[in-house]
Amino acid sequence: EVQLSQSGGGLAQPGGSLRLSCAASGFTFGSYAMSWVRQAPGKGLEWVSTISGNGGSTYYADSVKGRFTISRDNSKNTLYLQMNSLRAEDTAVYYCARPSLIIAAADIIGGWGQGTLVTVSS
Amino acid sequence: IVLTQSPATLSLSPGERATLSCGASQSVSSYLVWYQQKPGQAPRLLIYDASNRATGIPARFSGSGSGTDFTLTISSLEPEDFAVYYCQQRSSWPLTFGGGTKVEIK
Repeated sequence: EVQLSQSGGGLAQPGGSLRLSCAASGFTFGSYAMSWVRQAPGKGLEWVSTISGNGGSTYYADSVKGRFTISRDNSKNTLYLQMNSLRAEDTAVYYCARPSLIIAAADIIGGWGQGTLVTVSS
Repeated sequence: IVLTQSPATLSLSPGERATLSCGASQSVSSYLVWYQQKPGQAPRLLIYDASNRATGIPARFSGSGSGTDFTLTISSLEPEDFAVYYCQQRSSWPLTFGGGTKVEIK
């Protein structure tokens, strides 16, 4: 079964840091780009970042560039999002996302993790 | 690229036809994707590249358009189709989503 299992998240103070993890199973993780997408409470979807299958290319939303770092460990089938200098507006449910395994395009999201809530508040 | 979805809310009855729009601030060619999201759930891929149904998506869902104007049509609403629908462009980075259209029961 194809699964994305997220961990990390929780409460952080403004200016603080958190790291999200996403463990993948059921597919050849290293063959696919992976992404993070977030959703503020009661709001729409916002793409955050994407990393290529070999980790050599990364892309970021302007809202997080310079503060967040996406990375992956293909030996552990795990995706990460290191979030630094957190702001109140970063409060959201963060989803780990993979492409459709059939279409295999990095920018067509075919599967999602369960989501993890990040709350930035003092 | 800014995506604008309309209407924000669509109130319809089961069996009716739903027509959702997504407009792009510049041409995205056919690189437009549609997702469905139900409360408390992650989104689900419906349509990619404007008109291609994803695996397992019923034929009542169809997409059309190119350039800057796109439409998602649900030919006859089933009870499980009442949800929020988002468009997303993949023409260029950064990827962007529309603000969503909520299809609610009238």
